[in-house]
Amino acid sequence: GNSVTQMEGPVTLSEEAFLTINCTYTATGYPSLFWYVQYPGEGLQLLLKATKADDKGSNKGFEATYRKETTSFHLEKGSVQVSDSAVYFCALSDTGTASKLTFGTGTRLQVTL
Amino acid sequence: SQTIHQWPATLVQPVGSPLSLECTVEGTSNPNLYWYRQAAGRGLQLLFYSVGIGQISSEVPQNLSASRPQDRQFILSSKKLLLSDSGFYLCAWSDRVPGDNSPLHFGNGTRLTVT
Repeated sequence: GNSVTQMEGPVTLSEEAFLTINCTYTATGYPSLFWYVQYPGEGLQLLLKATKADDKGSNKGFEATYRKETTSFHLEKGSVQVSDSAVYFCALSDTGTASKLTFGTGTRLQVTL
Repeated sequence: SQTIHQWPATLVQPVGSPLSLECTVEGTSNPNLYWYRQAAGRGLQLLFYSVGIGQISSEVPQNLSASRPQDRQFILSSKKLLLSDSGFYLCAWSDRVPGDNSPLHFGNGTRLTVT
């Protein structure tokens, strides 16, 4: 079956530090890959996505590249801000009738001044 | 633009009581609809999804049920809550397109505490 593995948190960084959150996946076929962000007390918001190998998704300074050879979709940002503090979820979606996502367990990011 | 409404935001219910959580979507037609649960310290688990009125698929056996009485309305229910039903419940929708890897759009969630 499909699965997503994320690095365990929490991740604590100082403002302007470089961020990497690792994500690897196992899937049959050719999944689409997503990063979602959950701010405190809220639902999840789509951060970025990639639908095929070597695609790079980007949004709000975050980037992730779909690496089929390493089955990875690591999230990166060059300079984090306090407002980036949230829980980040990696997810995959197989082609099918509905966009049923398989999520990782989430990585909490805490950015301090 | 499309919006998704989910209520209530928080709920405290005793064990054995019934449950009804409602979710509605505006600004789109024929969406796929989903209920996810996020238990404390764990990731998200897909509970139910629906591709049309009256069409419900259950992903995991459990104490909960779902219904879709209208195209843009999705209801999560239970006749008798268990302590293990506590968690953060998220409704979501996606466009129904061929190949269907369209992203999910989530509501703000309902935090349910069963006491």
